[in-house]
Amino acid sequence: IAGITQAPTSQILAAGRRMTLRCTQDMRHNAMYWYRQDLGLGLRLIHYSNTAGTTGKGEVPDGYSVSRANTDDFPLTLASAVPSQTSVYFCASSVRGGVNEQFFGPGTRLTVL
Amino acid sequence: GQNIDQPTEMTATEGAIVQINCTYQTSGFNGLFWYQQHAGEAPTFLSYNVLDGLEEKGRFSSFLSRSKGYSYLLLKELQMKDSASYLCAVRDSNYQLIWGAGTKLIIKP
Repeated sequence: IAGITQAPTSQILAAGRRMTLRCTQDMRHNAMYWYRQDLGLGLRLIHYSNTAGTTGKGEVPDGYSVSRANTDDFPLTLASAVPSQTSVYFCASSVRGGVNEQFFGPGTRLTVL
Repeated sequence: GQNIDQPTEMTATEGAIVQINCTYQTSGFNGLFWYQQHAGEAPTFLSYNVLDGLEEKGRFSSFLSRSKGYSYLLLKELQMKDSASYLCAVRDSNYQLIWGAGTKLIIKP
């Protein structure tokens, strides 16, 4: 692994289903983030984690949950998907929270029908 | 509320110079970032400004005026590979990034 990986690359999901988007980084970065990107809008922060064991809510956290059991992994879970959660999801990391530039994963394109 | 404004789209000619503007109104300011995003790909870091003035990095330069809430990204000697979206982001008082919607730059031969 080099950098940040996300899985799956894309997914079509029925409304009401549970889905976990995976994110793994091998840079030993302390901070990790989940964003969604929608056409015509800027990246919007869903949840973040400044260090393993801690998480925080971003701008649009409703309907999403995260966990940070270790430094490398930061999964994002949609407990019961709705069509408005159709988006491209990017995971990112930085050396420390709020200080350095962020490095992004390749993204997951999620469609909820 | 917090707001980042950028033009939606710009067109320029290969070999020319283009300036992409960004104005912001945020709760606090702790730096401004520019990222490049090619279609279907992840954003990648281009530049960072926290003090007023110009930061130059090869063909790309970024300028900041904190008193005006204004930044620009200057791209010189445009190449076809520069066709991408350019995202402006401001780090607010909570040290979170607030993102603009991005400027799609189209380069014509």
